[in-house]
Amino acid sequence: EVQLLDSGGGLVQPGGSLRLSCAASGFIFPNYAMSWVRQAPGKGLEWVSGLSGSGGSTYYADSVKGRFTISRDNSKNTLYLQMNSLRAEDTALYYCAKSPVAEGFAVDYWGQGTLVTVSS
Amino acid sequence: EIVMTQTPLSLSVTPGQPASISCKSSQSLLHSDGRTYLYWFLHKPGQSPQLLIYEVSSRFFGVSDRFSGSGSGTDFTLKISRVETEDVGIYYCMQAIDLPLTFGGGTKVEIK
Repeated sequence: EVQLLDSGGGLVQPGGSLRLSCAASGFIFPNYAMSWVRQAPGKGLEWVSGLSGSGGSTYYADSVKGRFTISRDNSKNTLYLQMNSLRAEDTALYYCAKSPVAEGFAVDYWGQGTLVTVSS
Repeated sequence: EIVMTQTPLSLSVTPGQPASISCKSSQSLLHSDGRTYLYWFLHKPGQSPQLLIYEVSSRFFGVSDRFSGSGSGTDFTLKISRVETEDVGIYYCMQAIDLPLTFGGGTKVEIK
């Protein structure tokens, strides 16, 4: 059974940093691309970043480019999102999401989400 | 980026009755590989989104055959043949032909 366990969220001040983690199990982790998708309070879903199965290709939404870094440790079956220079508009529930393929970025499974609140 | 437009914003359905949601994309979702990268998700209250339909019309593992998807190019439809109480939530379409992945604004389905 595919499981994605998101963690690392919390309350952080504007300008601060946070690192999210997503522990994966139930599938061969290096064989699949992964993404982070967020949902701000009362809003819809927004794709944030994606990473190929090998980790060699990374992609970002314009809203987070230069501030967020996606990475993975295939030896630990874990996906990360390093978030720097956080802004109030980054407040959201962050989901990690698995792709059904190694290099493409559709979504078939979602984590349970971890809440990030950026506020002073 | 590709804009996804869903209608209606909300639906109130009597159990046992059908429901239909439309999704239109600003560009064709037909890839040169012959596949059309349109997906449907259901986001139930307090849960993570769950995949219902991939590539326009293929039901994901364990998804009831009450759900069906259709369409081509830029116009797509999700149909629920007989709505049940467990179907309440927000339905989203998503395109995966190009980055950034983009989602429709959502259709909230509730039971009358």
